[in-house]
Amino acid sequence: AQTVTQSQPEMSVQEAETVTLSCTYDTSESNYYLFWYKQPPSRQMILVIRQEAYKQQNATENRFSVNFQKAAKSFSLKISDSQLGDTAMYFCAFMKFGGTYKYIFGTGTRLKVLA
Amino acid sequence: GAGVSQSPSNKVTEKGKDVELRCDPISGHTALYWYRQSLGQGLEFLIYFQGNSAPDKSGLPSDRFSAERTGGSVSTLTIQRTQQEDSAVYLCASSSRDQLAYEQYFGPGTRLTVT
Repeated sequence: AQTVTQSQPEMSVQEAETVTLSCTYDTSESNYYLFWYKQPPSRQMILVIRQEAYKQQNATENRFSVNFQKAAKSFSLKISDSQLGDTAMYFCAFMKFGGTYKYIFGTGTRLKVLA
Repeated sequence: GAGVSQSPSNKVTEKGKDVELRCDPISGHTALYWYRQSLGQGLEFLIYFQGNSAPDKSGLPSDRFSAERTGGSVSTLTIQRTQQEDSAVYLCASSSRDQLAYEQYFGPGTRLTVT
């Protein structure tokens, strides 16, 4: 069975600084996707960034980028130039390709951006 | 178009009562998921519907939980004889198999409190 671990329950960062959220996972699958989702205090979860396991190049979306280390089964999220609106719970998720396509979520990291 | 909607947004019920939670997915999305989010925990997969296929019920915690999806659209999650440990936020998500990225779109959730 797949597992996803987020070892940082809470983090804080000063506005405009850079912060990295860590995520490790365990799987024997070779074809899968990894995601970071953001859940602001209003509760609606939205996708931040995704990474296909077969791609070696790290995904980037504006200020958000990942460091995907497939052999180490590590998938960290870097947020550059942090903004107050980045304050949220961040969830790392794993999805095996094929079958149900359900996500396995980590327990989340609560990020607070300080003014 | 409109996003995923869920109703009610909040539900308080007495222990032992039955509750129904509703999810309206994005129009045209064939896949629908239910998750449970407990305080301090990640999201726990409950059930998955894909088109006309038999649902994946592997995440339902007990036989008090059931779900149906009528006409391939609206879904209802029913919890019978509620217990205090059922208190959580119940999230619904939908996705389209046409989207190779397998992004799930989440609703705002229903916060269930069992007293």
